[in-house]
Amino acid sequence: GENVEQHPSTLSVQEGDSAVIKCTYSDSASNYFPWYKQELGKGPQLIIDIRSNVGEKKDQRIAVTLNKTAKHFSLHITETQPEDSAVYFCASLTDSWGKLQFGAGTQVVVTP
Amino acid sequence: GAVVSQHPSRVICKSGTSVKIECRSLDFQATTMFWYRQFPKQSLMLMATSNEGSKATYEQGVEKDKFLINHASLTLSTLTVTSAHPEDSSFYICSARAQTGVYEQYFGPGTRLTVT
Repeated sequence: GENVEQHPSTLSVQEGDSAVIKCTYSDSASNYFPWYKQELGKGPQLIIDIRSNVGEKKDQRIAVTLNKTAKHFSLHITETQPEDSAVYFCASLTDSWGKLQFGAGTQVVVTP
Repeated sequence: GAVVSQHPSRVICKSGTSVKIECRSLDFQATTMFWYRQFPKQSLMLMATSNEGSKATYEQGVEKDKFLINHASLTLSTLTVTSAHPEDSSFYICSARAQTGVYEQYFGPGTRLTVT
């Protein structure tokens, strides 16, 4: 079955700097890759996603890149702000009726 | 984005009692809903997948007689933890997907269950 690995497990950045989180997947049939942000005591919030027919997607300060050949995808957050502090999860999906496979999560701490 | 609600947000119950958690899709019809549990500082663990009008599919190791799931309508799924024990204490989160062919899943805010 699909296996998703996520790195790093924790990431501390200075406010205004960029943060990058990387994930790798094992199933070449995976074709949908969402990123979720989870604040303490809350449910995960979908922040951006990408499909396998696209290499990059951007939404204001966040972007996701996908390398199908290498089977990895990354989340980029630019100009980080304290409110970006949260746990971020990557995930992959093989088909629209399947189940998400989650990475282990990355705790991002943005220090003022 | 689509909104999913859960009720209650937190619940404390005594060992041996049952607790029901509701998950509702507020502005879309959800043909599929998922139930997860999450322990502190861990990732989400899928418990079961439910499709409206049919029996839930449970993940390996999840007791279907202990975690009863009902998806009676396109906007409501319920999870009942029966004969709860302290080890069932966890953060339970549901998610919903609009329809077949749609990839996006939206999560509820979660329910903190504490069994004393």
